[in-house]
Amino acid sequence: DAGVIQSPRHEVTEMGQEVTLRCKPISGHDYLFWYRQTMMRGLELLIYFNNNVPIDDSGMPEDRFSAKMPNASFSTLKIQPSEPRDSAVYFCASSQSSTSRGYTFGSGTRLTVV
Amino acid sequence: DQQVKQNSPSLSVQEGRISILNCDYTNSMFDYFLWYKKYPAEGPTFLISISSIKDKNEDGRFTVFLNKSAKHLSLHIVPSQPGDSAVYFCAGHSGNTPLVFGKGTRLSVIA
Repeated sequence: DAGVIQSPRHEVTEMGQEVTLRCKPISGHDYLFWYRQTMMRGLELLIYFNNNVPIDDSGMPEDRFSAKMPNASFSTLKIQPSEPRDSAVYFCASSQSSTSRGYTFGSGTRLTVV
Repeated sequence: DQQVKQNSPSLSVQEGRISILNCDYTNSMFDYFLWYKKYPAEGPTFLISISSIKDKNEDGRFTVFLNKSAKHLSLHIVPSQPGDSAVYFCAGHSGNTPLVFGKGTRLSVIA
């Protein structure tokens, strides 16, 4: 099992550009989570899906952020337009349930908006 | 509003000594707590957990203590090793809700 796969590992973009982050969860995991890590807020939940359906997107900071999960093996997090304050490490995680024990995180995407 | 608070951003400990990482929470509905460990350029990985009905859980060199009345938990690492140097995240959840993480504590174990 290759684990949770995120791409790209690093992204540097100019302010105002669209950014798309990608995630492939572990096969068979029903839940997918997008977290963002910053110094100020630590690991904060942005949105999570159950069986490809968004359950709670209250953590998405603004309308500039959107996430989709078109099928069980792929999810995207899009920022349009991007701003410097969006610079952070974005993690995708998957789980067989929404509870604690089964969260497997990807290696993250480090986003820098200049 | 931070439901999970890790008030020490960093901690330095000598190799062989005990490391104690602290975590406070405000949500009294939390029924399960976890610690995750994160190395640079990697995602967090599960380390140890504890149910709210217990006050201690031990796994090798790692022990987590829970004080429900104080809404406080701590992670003890004995003895500390250089490979333990990482960022440690405390997390809690209730029922079927996703994990809520703290800001993390960076542990440096000095040889």
